[in-house]
Amino acid sequence: NAGVTQTPKFQVLKTGQSMTLQCAQDMNHEYMSWYRQDPGMGLRLIHYSVGAGITDQGEVPNGYNVSRSTTEDFPLRLLSAAPSQTSVYFCASSYSSAGGHEQYFGPGTRLTVT
Amino acid sequence: KQEVTQIPAALSVPEGENLVLNCSFTDSAIYNLQWFRQDPGKGLTSLLLIQSSQREQTSGRLNASLDKSSGRSTLYIAASQPGDSATYLCALHPDDKIIFGKGTRLHILP
Repeated sequence: NAGVTQTPKFQVLKTGQSMTLQCAQDMNHEYMSWYRQDPGMGLRLIHYSVGAGITDQGEVPNGYNVSRSTTEDFPLRLLSAAPSQTSVYFCASSYSSAGGHEQYFGPGTRLTVT
Repeated sequence: KQEVTQIPAALSVPEGENLVLNCSFTDSAIYNLQWFRQDPGKGLTSLLLIQSSQREQTSGRLNASLDKSSGRSTLYIAASQPGDSATYLCALHPDDKIIFGKGTRLHILP
């Protein structure tokens, strides 16, 4: 049981490049989400999904796309990277919709945009 | 807009002492609350989840309480150890969008 996995662990992009951050969980969790963590700003929700085929925006969705074609995977796409997207990105999952269910986090992806 | 506040932002405590970390939120409606630990350069590890119908949860040396009427939660750590040094975050579960505090950075002095 690997829990929540994220790849890559580190990534450096040039401004304007695109990439996909991968997130997978093997716990059959319905709810998955993406956060970014910045110094002084805490964790901020980017996008979340309450089940396969269902996604919604969080607090800071601009510049990011998501899709949920399977229960296990929830990739985060950066369409055209900007220096403001330099951050640590965390994926999380829980059994069901967030309220009342324990959240499990992945180890994070540290992204630098130059 | 719901806000979650953790004060102080940083705390240093001698080893062996008991300590309390605070978390407050602006809307005292019925919510679940979760405490996490984050080590430098790592992800978040869940410590305790308090359901809205509960007043407290315990795990080993940790005890978390929830007072909805005052909009406060506390995390009590007994007999602190250097290995407890980390950042502790609380998170409110009002709906599908979880709201995090900015955390308290705890340093246990050997």
